[in-house]
Amino acid sequence: GDSVTQMEGPVTLSEEAFLTINCTYTATGYPSLFWYVQYPGEGLQLLLKATKADDKGSNKGFEATYRKETTSFHLEKGSVQVSDSAVYFCALRMDSNYQLIWGAGTKLIIKP
Amino acid sequence: NAGVMQNPRHLVRRRGQEARLRCSPMKGHSHVYWYRQLPEEGLKFMVYLQKENIIDESGMPKERFSAEFPKEGPSILRIQQVVRGDSAAYFCASSPTGPAIVYEQYFGPGTRLTVT
Repeated sequence: GDSVTQMEGPVTLSEEAFLTINCTYTATGYPSLFWYVQYPGEGLQLLLKATKADDKGSNKGFEATYRKETTSFHLEKGSVQVSDSAVYFCALRMDSNYQLIWGAGTKLIIKP
Repeated sequence: NAGVMQNPRHLVRRRGQEARLRCSPMKGHSHVYWYRQLPEEGLKFMVYLQKENIIDESGMPKERFSAEFPKEGPSILRIQQVVRGDSAAYFCASSPTGPAIVYEQYFGPGTRLTVT
Protein backbone atom coordinates (compact mmCIF):
# COMPACT_ATOMS: atom_id res chain seq x y z
CA GLY A 1 0.00 0.00 0.00
CA ASP A 2 0.90 3.66 -0.06
CA SER A 3 3.42 4.71 2.56
CA VAL A 4 5.77 7.46 3.71
CA THR A 5 9.21 7.02 5.25
CA GLN A 6 11.07 9.85 6.90
CA MET A 7 14.35 10.03 8.73
CA GLU A 8 14.40 9.15 12.36
CA GLY A 9 15.00 11.77 14.96
CA PRO A 10 15.83 13.53 16.97
CA VAL A 11 17.84 15.77 14.71
CA THR A 12 19.93 18.21 16.75
CA LEU A 13 21.47 21.26 15.10
CA SER A 14 23.00 24.55 16.12
CA GLU A 15 21.29 27.79 15.26
CA GLU A 16 21.96 28.98 11.68
CA ALA A 17 22.85 25.47 10.50
CA PHE A 18 21.48 24.01 7.27
CA LEU A 19 18.61 21.59 7.70
CA THR A 20 17.57 18.58 5.65
CA ILE A 21 14.89 16.14 6.76
CA ASN A 22 14.52 13.28 4.30
CA CYS A 23 11.15 11.97 3.17
CA THR A 24 10.47 9.28 0.58
CA TYR A 25 7.17 7.79 -0.44
CA THR A 26 5.61 4.79 -2.11
CA ALA A 27 2.38 5.33 -4.00
CA THR A 28 0.47 3.63 -6.78
CA GLY A 29 -0.41 6.91 -8.48
CA TYR A 30 0.58 10.56 -8.26
CA PRO A 31 -0.04 11.87 -4.77
CA SER A 32 -0.01 15.35 -3.32
CA LEU A 33 2.77 15.73 -0.76
CA PHE A 34 2.75 17.68 2.48
CA TRP A 35 4.94 18.74 5.35
CA TYR A 36 3.21 19.41 8.66
CA VAL A 37 4.81 20.85 11.79
CA GLN A 38 3.80 20.39 15.41
CA TYR A 39 5.19 22.92 17.86
CA PRO A 40 5.20 21.90 21.53
CA GLY A 41 1.69 21.85 22.95
CA GLU A 42 0.03 22.78 19.66
CA GLY A 43 -1.83 21.07 16.85
CA LEU A 44 -0.41 19.98 13.53
CA GLN A 45 -0.04 22.88 11.10
CA LEU A 46 0.39 22.61 7.37
CA LEU A 47 3.88 23.94 6.59
CA LEU A 48 3.99 23.47 2.82
CA LYS A 49 2.71 21.26 0.05
CA ALA A 50 3.25 20.27 -3.57
CA THR A 51 0.68 18.71 -5.83
CA LYS A 52 2.67 17.56 -8.88
CA ALA A 53 6.16 16.53 -9.95
CA ASP A 54 8.83 19.25 -9.84
CA ASP A 55 6.60 21.57 -7.81
CA LYS A 56 8.40 23.34 -4.99
CA GLY A 57 6.50 24.15 -1.82
CA SER A 58 7.86 26.88 0.41
CA ASN A 59 6.91 28.67 3.60
CA LYS A 60 8.72 30.40 6.49
CA GLY A 61 12.09 29.74 4.85
CA PHE A 62 11.42 26.02 4.44
CA GLU A 63 11.37 24.39 1.00
CA ALA A 64 10.64 20.97 -0.43
CA THR A 65 10.64 19.82 -4.05
CA TYR A 66 8.43 17.01 -5.36
CA ARG A 67 10.85 14.59 -7.06
CA LYS A 68 8.98 11.90 -8.94
CA GLU A 69 12.14 10.15 -10.17
CA THR A 70 13.41 9.58 -6.65
CA THR A 71 9.93 9.53 -5.00
CA SER A 72 11.18 12.08 -2.49
CA PHE A 73 10.03 15.31 -0.84
CA HIS A 74 12.94 16.36 1.39
CA LEU A 75 12.47 19.34 3.67
CA GLU A 76 15.24 21.96 3.69
CA LYS A 77 15.99 25.25 5.37
CA GLY A 78 19.12 27.30 4.90
CA SER A 79 19.47 28.69 8.41
CA VAL A 80 17.47 27.27 11.28
CA GLN A 81 16.40 29.13 14.40
CA VAL A 82 15.67 27.95 17.92
CA SER A 83 11.99 28.65 17.21
CA ASP A 84 12.04 25.95 14.51
CA SER A 85 12.31 23.28 17.19
CA ALA A 86 9.29 21.06 16.64
CA VAL A 87 8.20 17.71 15.23
CA TYR A 88 7.95 17.60 11.43
CA PHE A 89 5.67 15.17 9.62
CA CYS A 90 5.74 14.23 5.94
CA ALA A 91 2.45 13.03 4.46
CA LEU A 92 0.84 12.15 1.18
CA ARG A 93 -2.69 12.14 -0.13
CA MET A 94 -3.94 10.56 -3.31
CA ASP A 95 -6.09 12.91 -5.38
CA SER A 96 -9.03 10.54 -5.24
CA ASN A 97 -8.97 10.23 -1.46
CA TYR A 98 -9.15 12.44 1.61
CA GLN A 99 -7.05 10.18 3.83
CA LEU A 100 -3.63 11.51 4.69
CA ILE A 101 -0.89 8.88 4.94
CA TRP A 102 1.84 9.88 7.32
CA GLY A 103 5.49 9.36 8.12
CA ALA A 104 6.46 8.73 11.75
CA GLY A 105 7.61 12.30 12.34
CA THR A 106 11.07 13.76 12.96
CA LYS A 107 11.81 15.72 16.09
CA LEU A 108 14.05 18.71 15.42
CA ILE A 109 16.02 20.33 18.24
CA ILE A 110 17.83 23.59 17.58
CA LYS A 111 20.40 24.71 20.15
CA PRO A 112 21.39 28.36 20.55
CA ASN B 1 -11.29 32.30 14.79
CA ALA B 2 -10.61 29.50 17.22
CA GLY B 3 -8.86 26.46 15.84
CA VAL B 4 -9.84 22.85 16.28
CA MET B 5 -10.30 22.13 19.96
CA GLN B 6 -9.72 18.77 21.59
CA ASN B 7 -10.28 17.79 25.18
CA PRO B 8 -9.02 16.51 27.37
CA ARG B 9 -5.42 17.01 26.33
CA HIS B 10 -4.30 14.17 28.55
CA LEU B 11 -6.43 11.26 29.70
CA VAL B 12 -5.44 8.42 31.98
CA ARG B 13 -7.65 5.37 32.20
CA ARG B 14 -7.28 2.00 33.88
CA ARG B 15 -7.71 -1.14 31.80
CA GLY B 16 -11.40 -1.90 31.29
CA GLN B 17 -12.61 1.68 31.68
CA GLU B 18 -14.15 3.82 28.95
CA ALA B 19 -12.38 6.72 27.28
CA ARG B 20 -14.28 9.62 25.67
CA LEU B 21 -12.36 12.04 23.50
CA ARG B 22 -13.98 15.23 22.27
CA CYS B 23 -13.32 17.32 19.20
CA SER B 24 -14.86 20.68 18.34
CA PRO B 25 -14.18 21.58 14.71
CA MET B 26 -13.35 25.03 13.49
CA LYS B 27 -16.31 27.35 13.10
CA GLY B 28 -18.07 26.68 9.84
CA HIS B 29 -16.48 23.25 9.35
CA SER B 30 -18.79 20.28 9.05
CA HIS B 31 -16.29 17.51 8.26
CA VAL B 32 -14.32 15.79 11.02
CA TYR B 33 -11.54 13.23 10.77
CA TRP B 34 -9.94 11.20 13.55
CA TYR B 35 -6.37 9.89 13.39
CA ARG B 36 -4.38 7.81 15.88
CA GLN B 37 -0.66 7.94 16.44
CA LEU B 38 0.86 4.95 18.20
CA PRO B 39 4.30 5.41 19.80
CA GLU B 40 7.09 5.72 17.23
CA GLU B 41 4.64 5.55 14.32
CA GLY B 42 2.94 7.98 11.99
CA LEU B 43 -0.67 9.01 12.24
CA LYS B 44 -3.20 6.48 10.96
CA PHE B 45 -6.64 7.41 9.65
CA MET B 46 -9.51 6.10 11.74
CA VAL B 47 -12.82 7.66 10.71
CA TYR B 48 -14.38 10.46 8.69
CA LEU B 49 -17.66 12.00 9.78
CA GLN B 50 -20.03 14.68 8.68
CA LYS B 51 -22.82 15.99 10.87
CA GLU B 52 -24.93 12.99 11.94
CA ASN B 53 -23.24 10.70 9.40
CA ILE B 54 -20.28 8.36 9.39
CA ILE B 55 -18.80 8.58 5.91
CA ASP B 56 -15.81 6.26 6.22
CA GLU B 57 -14.83 4.17 9.24
CA SER B 58 -12.44 1.88 7.41
CA GLY B 59 -9.61 2.68 9.84
CA MET B 60 -11.55 2.01 13.02
CA PRO B 61 -10.89 -1.18 14.97
CA LYS B 62 -13.92 -3.44 14.64
CA GLU B 63 -14.57 -3.70 18.35
CA ARG B 64 -14.70 -1.27 21.27
CA PHE B 65 -14.26 1.87 19.15
CA SER B 66 -17.07 4.14 18.00
CA ALA B 67 -17.41 7.72 16.81
CA GLU B 68 -20.21 10.19 16.39
CA PHE B 69 -20.69 13.77 15.27
CA PRO B 70 -24.14 14.89 16.40
CA LYS B 71 -26.11 17.76 14.99
CA GLU B 72 -25.21 19.81 18.05
CA GLY B 73 -22.00 19.57 20.03
CA PRO B 74 -18.57 18.11 19.47
CA SER B 75 -17.54 14.93 17.77
CA ILE B 76 -16.89 12.11 20.22
CA LEU B 77 -14.49 9.20 19.86
CA ARG B 78 -15.40 6.52 22.37
CA ILE B 79 -13.21 3.61 23.37
CA GLN B 80 -14.84 1.01 25.57
CA GLN B 81 -12.96 -1.38 27.84
CA VAL B 82 -9.60 0.19 27.10
CA VAL B 83 -6.47 -1.96 26.90
CA ARG B 84 -2.80 -0.95 27.14
CA GLY B 85 -2.49 -1.08 23.35
CA ASP B 86 -4.95 1.81 23.07
CA SER B 87 -2.36 4.15 24.60
CA ALA B 88 -1.67 6.67 21.86
CA ALA B 89 -2.17 10.24 20.72
CA TYR B 90 -5.54 10.81 19.05
CA PHE B 91 -5.77 13.72 16.63
CA CYS B 92 -8.87 15.31 15.25
CA ALA B 93 -9.00 17.39 12.08
CA SER B 94 -11.77 19.36 10.40
CA SER B 95 -12.36 20.76 6.96
CA PRO B 96 -14.91 23.10 5.43
CA THR B 97 -18.15 22.02 3.85
CA GLY B 98 -17.51 20.65 0.40
CA PRO B 99 -15.62 17.80 -1.24
CA ALA B 100 -13.26 16.44 1.35
CA ILE B 101 -10.58 15.77 -1.23
CA VAL B 102 -10.36 19.44 -2.10
CA TYR B 103 -10.03 21.17 1.24
CA GLU B 104 -7.16 21.21 3.67
CA GLN B 105 -7.59 19.47 7.00
CA TYR B 106 -6.98 21.61 10.09
CA PHE B 107 -5.72 19.72 13.11
CA GLY B 108 -6.26 19.97 16.83
CA PRO B 109 -3.52 19.53 19.46
CA GLY B 110 -4.43 15.92 20.12
CA THR B 111 -5.45 13.92 23.17
CA ARG B 112 -2.82 11.69 24.74
CA LEU B 113 -4.46 8.61 26.17
CA THR B 114 -2.54 6.53 28.68
CA VAL B 115 -3.96 3.20 29.81
CA THR B 116 -2.52 1.89 33.05
